[in-house]
Amino acid sequence: EVQLVQSGAEVRKPGESLKISCHGSGYSFTNYWIGWVRQMAGKGLEWMAIIHPGDSDTRSSPSFQGQVTMSADQSISTAYLQWSSLKASDTAMYYCARRSRDGSYYYFDYWGQGTLVTVSS
Amino acid sequence: DIQMTQSPSSLSASIGDRVTITCRASQSISKYVNWYQQKPGKAPQLLIYATSSLQSGVPSRFSGSGSGTDFTLTITSLQPADFATYYCQQSYTTPDTFGPGTKVDIK
Repeated sequence: EVQLVQSGAEVRKPGESLKISCHGSGYSFTNYWIGWVRQMAGKGLEWMAIIHPGDSDTRSSPSFQGQVTMSADQSISTAYLQWSSLKASDTAMYYCARRSRDGSYYYFDYWGQGTLVTVSS
Repeated sequence: DIQMTQSPSSLSASIGDRVTITCRASQSISKYVNWYQQKPGKAPQLLIYATSSLQSGVPSRFSGSGSGTDFTLTITSLQPADFATYYCQQSYTTPDTFGPGTKVDIK
């Protein structure tokens, strides 16, 4: 069974750093891109970026470029999203999702449960 | 970035109704559209990919159509489990932008 399990909720102060994780199981982790999606409270889904765990290739939305860093550890089938200096505006739910393909068509077919990040002084 | 818009932003419907949600892209994206359902407090779930391909396990009352810039998600005979927010997404080019969502609630 394919599963993506994310790390638990986090509370940080502005300016602090944070790294959240997404562990994949039930499939070949290095063969699929992993994406990160932000959802602020009461708002819609925002596509942030994707990473290919096989070679750490990344693609980012211009809206998030330079704001977050993605990485992946093949040996433990885990992808990470990290911030070096959080802002209050980073407060949101963050989802990871597996990016599958059918020919040239890509889509997120499995999602993690979400990690709630709260940034408050 | 390709911009995705959806209409309506919300709608009220009754059990058994036929519901249609429209998604429009800011440029032609062929058939590179996916649809997701999200219920409160839950992660989104894939319903349809590549405009009209039904994801495994998704009820056949969901269907998608369109090409170019205009796409639709149709729910025939709305069921209680279908009250949720629906998002379209383009995967023609990264970033794979989402539409703003359409909330379907009970009339």
